[in-house]
Amino acid sequence: EPEVTQTPSHQVTQMGQEVILRCVPISNHLYFYWYRQILGQKVEFLVSFYNNEISEKSEIFDDQFSVERPDGSNFTLKIRSTKLEDSAMYFCASSVFLRVQAQDTQYFGPGTRLTVL
Amino acid sequence: KNEVEQSPQNLTAQEGEFITINCSYSVGISALHWLQQHPGGGIVSLFMLSSGKKKHGRLIATINIQEKHSSLHITASHPRDSAVYICAVPGRTGGGADGLTFGKGTHLIIQP
Repeated sequence: EPEVTQTPSHQVTQMGQEVILRCVPISNHLYFYWYRQILGQKVEFLVSFYNNEISEKSEIFDDQFSVERPDGSNFTLKIRSTKLEDSAMYFCASSVFLRVQAQDTQYFGPGTRLTVL
Repeated sequence: KNEVEQSPQNLTAQEGEFITINCSYSVGISALHWLQQHPGGGIVSLFMLSSGKKKHGRLIATINIQEKHSSLHITASHPRDSAVYICAVPGRTGGGADGLTFGKGTHLIIQP
């Protein structure tokens, strides 16, 4: 069964450094998402991406974050200058979202645990 | 913005018991998602439903759109059902490809 993959599984970085988290969505999916989960807290939406542009973003997704689909398969989240509070699990998700349906299942990757020291 | 409340936050039960987890939300939606998060952190979609009831194995999900309420039931619970169960709804407009707004989750432990 097709699945969403994410690399790396764990990333450790120093405060102020740039990190890029990578995701490979399911191949025929059209919508891509990033979520994060700070340890012990609920999952929070960051951004959605469709047709090579941001579709929606939350208030968390400020200027230090960016997303890109650099080729036909990868979907990346860049954090420009990491802060201690960026330490979290970051989940990528994708969905087909055929507009004839009101909603579609989102398939989640296994997550990247980001630790900022 | 949709607010999602789940109850209970924690639930410990004996193997074989019937489990009910509740979810309520504040703004009308097109569909509601139930997800499962295992101790390793991975998130799996269990159900997406917009009306009535869905069943998959021992899991049953129901939704009442008018009352903005959904329930997840587990019949004949088993220790392998131990996980965090999360309710999520479309966040912005209530539909389409919205990013999801998640509840805090219900931490379920099934003891043998």
